[in-house]
Amino acid sequence: DQQVKQNSPSLSVQEGRISILNCDYTNSMFDYFLWYKKYPAEGPTFLISISSIKDKNEDGRFTVFLNKSAKHLSLHIVPSQPGDSAVYFCASEGAQKLVFGQGTRLTINP
Amino acid sequence: AAGVIQSPRHLIKEKRETATLKCYPIPRHDTVYWYQQGPGQDPQFLISFYEKMQSDKGSIPDRFSAQQFSDYHSELNMSSLELGDSALYFCASSLAGGVGNTIYFGEGSWLTVV
Repeated sequence: DQQVKQNSPSLSVQEGRISILNCDYTNSMFDYFLWYKKYPAEGPTFLISISSIKDKNEDGRFTVFLNKSAKHLSLHIVPSQPGDSAVYFCASEGAQKLVFGQGTRLTINP
Repeated sequence: AAGVIQSPRHLIKEKRETATLKCYPIPRHDTVYWYQQGPGQDPQFLISFYEKMQSDKGSIPDRFSAQQFSDYHSELNMSSLELGDSALYFCASSLAGGVGNTIYFGEGSWLTVV
């Protein structure tokens, strides 16, 4: 039972445009959501998070949106830069459980 | 700022050998998580500890054990290693006690079983 799903395994975006990565979850006990960026052979790096009491959190080029009724969150990166190319994982947290999605490989084309 | 420290960063072992990975959480963090990520696979949760007690258990094989010590560092012990144990093992730490505890990950330990 995949509690956190990232349905797009890969995404290709032109440099300077907006990248939108999506994530769906099923467990209503999740109350905190995080996005991580991962390069090969490294541990995930925390990017941005959002609590279930908010619907938007912004940090520089990164914005996370949460739609609780749809159990959906998204990460917007604008403008996209070549250094953003990596695998992005969303994660949902609740009751000391952290569940990852499958990841989306983002490629930013110059 | 201090991050999550894992050692060793790389380890090569033969089948049926034993390996121990160490994780030093961010100071004052009381919760440690262990994850395994095989080549081309999602991170898989293995086990977590809160205040030196096991708090949750995931897909950790019986050949593996782990514990959290009084200084909050954690060790993952893997015995009777198999080729399929070759993976990146990373640990994470957080400070429990409420909503929104950001979890920080270490750089990972690469285990290669030959």
